[in-house]
Amino acid sequence: RKEVEQDPGPFNVPEGATVAFNCTYSNSASQSFFWYRQDCRKEPKLLMSVYSSGNEDGRFTAQLNRASQYISLLIRDSKLSDSATYLCVVSGDSSYKLIFGSGTRLLVRP
Amino acid sequence: EPEVTQTPSHQVTQMGQEVILRCVPISNHLYFYWYRQILGQKVEFLVSFYNNEISEKSEIFDDQFSVERPDGSNFTLKIRSTKLEDSAMYFCASSDPSGSNEQFFGPGTRLTVL
Repeated sequence: RKEVEQDPGPFNVPEGATVAFNCTYSNSASQSFFWYRQDCRKEPKLLMSVYSSGNEDGRFTAQLNRASQYISLLIRDSKLSDSATYLCVVSGDSSYKLIFGSGTRLLVRP
Repeated sequence: EPEVTQTPSHQVTQMGQEVILRCVPISNHLYFYWYRQILGQKVEFLVSFYNNEISEKSEIFDDQFSVERPDGSNFTLKIRSTKLEDSAMYFCASSDPSGSNEQFFGPGTRLTVL
């Protein structure tokens, strides 16, 4: 089983749509969880940390379900500028190294 | 806003040559990392560095690789004898000591080994 698994997409949605991405991770002892976004040939940029209580940042909402080892990201009112690859990332159980999923590609069309 | 910087942006080298990739982490950060991303593949952890020593390394980080913090600002990755398969984007990252493990990435160095 892959350490972090994501649907590669692409998700092709119109502007204004709501889109949800999911991710599962294999190590139940993982401590930290994140969503990063990556534009083509650029560095990963931290979008948000993910907590069990759920957290929201503007149009973005992230949820963590530790029992199911499942992480989600919801983007409301999609903008053209949201087009990117969204990376689900977890840390090790007793380490700071980040383990990346392969990413889900989002295309927002006019 | 403080950011991680990396030089050079693109490095082309011949197989068997040594390369040094340079990074300047965010100034108040204490944890430093190198990751790489082969074209079309996912980002992979190489090494983490704290308190002037390696705290963790992956299987990729073999004897050909080394890291150093030669002064108070730079953090370098050296590849002693490059192979074709070392061609990738190399990202430096840093995080602060708060424990959140939020890591901020530099723009990367594209290494091409011919």
